[in-house]
Amino acid sequence: DAGVIQSPRHEVTEMGQEVTLRCKPISGHNSLFWYRQTMMRGLELLIYFNNNVPIDDSGMPEDRFSAKMPNASFSTLKIQPSEPRDSAVYFCASSLQSQGPQPQHFGDGTRLSIL
Amino acid sequence: AQSVTQLGSHVSVSEGALVLLRCNYSSSVPPYLFWYVQYPNQGLQLLLKYTTGATLVKGINGFEAEFKKSETSFHLTKPSAHMSDAAEYFCGVVGNTPLVFGKGTRLSVIA
Repeated sequence: DAGVIQSPRHEVTEMGQEVTLRCKPISGHNSLFWYRQTMMRGLELLIYFNNNVPIDDSGMPEDRFSAKMPNASFSTLKIQPSEPRDSAVYFCASSLQSQGPQPQHFGDGTRLSIL
Repeated sequence: AQSVTQLGSHVSVSEGALVLLRCNYSSSVPPYLFWYVQYPNQGLQLLLKYTTGATLVKGINGFEAEFKKSETSFHLTKPSAHMSDAAEYFCGVVGNTPLVFGKGTRLSVIA
């Protein structure tokens, strides 16, 4: 079975540019999560969706960040404009449910470098 | 809301020695508990989980964890460390909110 697919795997861009990260969840999963991982802050939950609807975006650092899930098989995380402090690894995960005993399944992440 | 504390950001063991990674949690409702492993340049991979029932849970790669409600703990163990176990390990709890992770423990295995 295909796992969670993220693209691109690596992104290097200059500050001020728009960055779009993409995620395809596991088919049949109803919940999707976006995380950011840095050395300083560890693993942070940015936002999660249930049935394509954003439920909690309190982890989104600021208005420069936005996430959408137009359908059950695709989600994007956008940063506009990007800043060097946004450099991190961004993970997408999906699950059958946002709470309860079902585990989250993670993609391999997008390593983002903002110059 | 729930929280997780992982004691020790870095643990170093000799190959063949016991691995013990500590995790304590807090939750206002009966928790579901998880351990994930992250290898370099990869995403998190589920090692094992506790939902209900038997408190000793066995996972992949010879790891196991025991849920102790009285101690609010879910420590991860492996009897004999292998070089391939070197990775970052995350404990997580689901209570009345989605999964909350600890800050992780980096395991080094010395030959």
